[in-house]
Amino acid sequence: QTVVTQEPSLTVSPGGTVTLTCASSTGAVTNDNYPNWFQQKPGQAPRALVYSASNKHSWTPAQFSGSLLGGKAALTLSGVQPEDEAEYYCLLHYGGAWVFGGGTKLTVL
Amino acid sequence: EVQLVESGGGLAQPGESLRLSCVASGFTFRDYGMHWVRQVTGKGLEWVADITSAGVIHYPGSVRGRFTISREDGKNSVYLQINSLTAGDTAVYYCARGTKAVAGVDYWGQGTLVTVSS
Repeated sequence: QTVVTQEPSLTVSPGGTVTLTCASSTGAVTNDNYPNWFQQKPGQAPRALVYSASNKHSWTPAQFSGSLLGGKAALTLSGVQPEDEAEYYCLLHYGGAWVFGGGTKLTVL
Repeated sequence: EVQLVESGGGLAQPGESLRLSCVASGFTFRDYGMHWVRQVTGKGLEWVADITSAGVIHYPGSVRGRFTISREDGKNSVYLQINSLTAGDTAVYYCARGTKAVAGVDYWGQGTLVTVSS
């Protein structure tokens, strides 16, 4: 069974920069895994931020950027604002099936 | 404006079946793959099914055999049939649209809550 691993929690100061990562139990994350990133705030549906590792949706704020970094997928938030406090999930593709990471709770403090 | 509206959730007893529906609007439905994702209260997201625009279907091993996804392009709808319900199926079920290039998921519905309890 494939496991996708994210940091359970991270804390960042307002105005700071933070990088969330997404690792695969099968090995290095590549473009073939089409990494996606989502933001979810309490009581809301998830909102898509990034697809195919680094592509942003039309609504994705400029401060969010996706990449592949050291064998993992990564989501970097720059100039973090209090409203960025949320749960962030990655999603990876495995030849037809998709697997979510466990999520990273980002605290802005 | 893309909209996805789920329905069909509610209270069901263990062993029963439930059919969830998702009606889409604001885009050419037949051109897109569709996904179902569930979330137990307070827990993470779990992908449970998708169906491509061509009708190819995928499931994770955890639900294969009990979950059936289908689509009806003429009604702009995607469905999720869940059989032999257990308490572990209690969750909010989201319908989501696949990206055009099968590269992920973009739009999400607001979800429908399924509660399995005797």
